[in-house]
Amino acid sequence: GAGVSQSPRYKVAKRGQDVALRCDPISGHVSLFWYQQALGQGPEFLTYFQNEAQLDKSGLPSDRFFAERPEGSVSTLKIQRTQQEDSAVYLCASSLDGQTPQHFGDGTRLSIL
Amino acid sequence: GIQVEQSPPDLILQEGANSTLRCNFSDSVNNLQWFHQNPWGQLINLFYIPSGTKQNGRLSATTVATERYSLLYISSSQTTDSGVYFCAVVWAGTALIFGKGTTLSVSS
Repeated sequence: GAGVSQSPRYKVAKRGQDVALRCDPISGHVSLFWYQQALGQGPEFLTYFQNEAQLDKSGLPSDRFFAERPEGSVSTLKIQRTQQEDSAVYLCASSLDGQTPQHFGDGTRLSIL
Repeated sequence: GIQVEQSPPDLILQEGANSTLRCNFSDSVNNLQWFHQNPWGQLINLFYIPSGTKQNGRLSATTVATERYSLLYISSSQTTDSGVYFCAVVWAGTALIFGKGTTLSVSS
């Protein structure tokens, strides 16, 4: 596609439910990143893929957060047993390789009730 | 870790005014990008500028890597320029580290 596509655009879940957020990167982009943006803050790094390999997951806040990119294209960020502090905008970015500009999707706004 | 500081935190302008936003970083970086986050939350690439000067219409940016700062210039501001401007750097690895942003409000 022309840009990074994320779905859903908005997600509301009850505390304790599991959620799955999808990212479809720019075609041909090897690198894929997930970021979390809390209200009024800048985005913060969660995890990084090069093709299907998850090379850095140092930013994942707990073991309830899990990401995958099984075929080196589409990625899914899964949050298990959601908590209120998980409410944030989740942004996905892709780049041609790890050293070129990152391009962001419109994000998924997650609200945990 | 690296510190990325942006100033000013808030800026209020009348339409047509010029402004300069600053980004200081505490260590050498491999990459620097400027973004505009519009009121709908979209994060838009403005510049990829690890060093040197670039211009795109009314916007221009300069990064002086040896002195660890970057400047974003906005000329003849318009109401559509409103939003949050982020500076982000790649320091170790590949992840972008963002500053806290400058919130710009342009009124007509």
